[in-house]
Amino acid sequence: AQSVTQLGSHVSVSEGALVLLRCNYSSSVPPYLFWYVQYPNQGLQLLLKYTTGATLVKGINGFEAEFKKSETSFHLTKPSAHMSDAAEYFCAVNNAGNNRKLIWGLGTSLAVNP
Amino acid sequence: GAVVSQHPSRVICKSGTSVKIECRSLDFQATTMFWYRQFPKKSLMLMATSNEGSKATYEQGVEKDKFLINHASLTLSTLTVTSAHPEDSSFYICSADKGGSEAFFGQGTRLTVV
Repeated sequence: AQSVTQLGSHVSVSEGALVLLRCNYSSSVPPYLFWYVQYPNQGLQLLLKYTTGATLVKGINGFEAEFKKSETSFHLTKPSAHMSDAAEYFCAVNNAGNNRKLIWGLGTSLAVNP
Repeated sequence: GAVVSQHPSRVICKSGTSVKIECRSLDFQATTMFWYRQFPKKSLMLMATSNEGSKATYEQGVEKDKFLINHASLTLSTLTVTSAHPEDSSFYICSADKGGSEAFFGQGTRLTVV
């Protein structure tokens, strides 16, 4: 079975500071890993994904994440937070098979302080 | 691009009535669509997987007769909340699969049952 753990339901950073949102997963098969962002009362937007190949993936809005198999982690980072980054962030995994159901973390709410 | 349109974005209905939510893939054909429910400050809960031309597969604990899903074409899936009650009030989100590794999400529907 697959699972996703996001450490920290709430993260607060100052504008311009480093953003680090943690995600650990468990999977018995090679995982596909995703980070999505959700703004209030909106759907989800893909930030970035890892499927195969390069383990450091770059996404939209300056975000990136590194797949570390040995640590079963896929942490999301951004060097310098912007006020507009305040949102809910979800990490998800699927098994890349025919049943492409996403398994979701509980989400991390990011607050950016001026 | 891959755009998924969900309608309506907000709906208020009286207790005991039924509400239909539409999920359309605008520029691609979606053999599989997923319906989620999201409680306040919570992660997404997968309700069902909808495949074109066949019956939806419901997750454990989701009432099939209450949440009717129809996937009549490759671009449209509908979720009907029957005999709605206040506890059905929630944010409902659909996603569509175009065969790759990524799911594309609708904007969500805020349902309020009064």
